[in-house]
Amino acid sequence: SQQGEEDPQALSIQEGENATMNCSYKTSINNLQWYRQNSGRGLVHLILIRSNEREKHSGRLRVTLDTSKKSSSLLITASRAADTASYFCAGNNDMRFGAGTRLTVKP
Amino acid sequence: DTGVSQNPRHKITKRGQNVTFRCDPISEHNRLYWYRQTLGQGPEFLTYFQNEAQLEKSRLLSDRFSAERPKGSFSTLEIQRTEQGDSAMYLCASSHHLGPKNIQYFGAGTRLSVL
Repeated sequence: SQQGEEDPQALSIQEGENATMNCSYKTSINNLQWYRQNSGRGLVHLILIRSNEREKHSGRLRVTLDTSKKSSSLLITASRAADTASYFCAGNNDMRFGAGTRLTVKP
Repeated sequence: DTGVSQNPRHKITKRGQNVTFRCDPISEHNRLYWYRQTLGQGPEFLTYFQNEAQLEKSRLLSDRFSAERPKGSFSTLEIQRTEQGDSAMYLCASSHHLGPKNIQYFGAGTRLSVL
C-alpha cells in the first residue's frame, strides 16, 4: 500500500499565485520528504522536514508537518511556469509514494 | 555526470520476451531502490538493496521479476516473459545510509513498452 497520499490530485493556477498541496501518511515517520517530478523524468528531492519540526522553509517552499494528524502541506509561493510538475511526499521509513499532485502554472 | 544513470532510456519489446535494465547509482551510495511508475500514478516501490544484499521486496515483484546487485555497485532488473501490464517507467534511486535521512537521488528512468 502507498504511504503518502497527496491532495488535490490536480491543481491549476496562474503564475504569481501560491500553490498549496497536502499529504497524508499512515505510519509513524522520522521525517517526511517532498519530491518533484517533471514530465518523463525522475524525481528530485525538494525538502525534508523532521518529525520534531512543525515548519520549514527553503526559498519559495514552505512545508508544515502535523504528526498528530499524520499530515503535511507544501506551499509554493509566487509560482512560476517552471514549477509545473507533479509533487510527491513520502515518509522516510519506507519511501512509499502516493499518486501525487499535478501542478500546472499558467504563464 | 555523477548522478544516477539508467540504461536503456527506452525499451520496446514483444510480449513474452525477456528484458533487462541497468542502474548505476551515485558512487559510494550503498542503498539502491527500484520503483515502477505508470501514467498518472506515483512510483511504486519494488525492491531495495543495501550493498549487495536485497533487503526488501514488494509483493508487486512477481516471480517474473528479479533484481541483482552483485558487487554492491550497479544493479540490474530483469523481467521475464513480459506482459503488456509490465509497460511502465522503471525508476532507480540511490542513497547513502549515512546520508541526510535517506534522501534518494533518482535516475531518469527506463520506459518499457510491451507490444
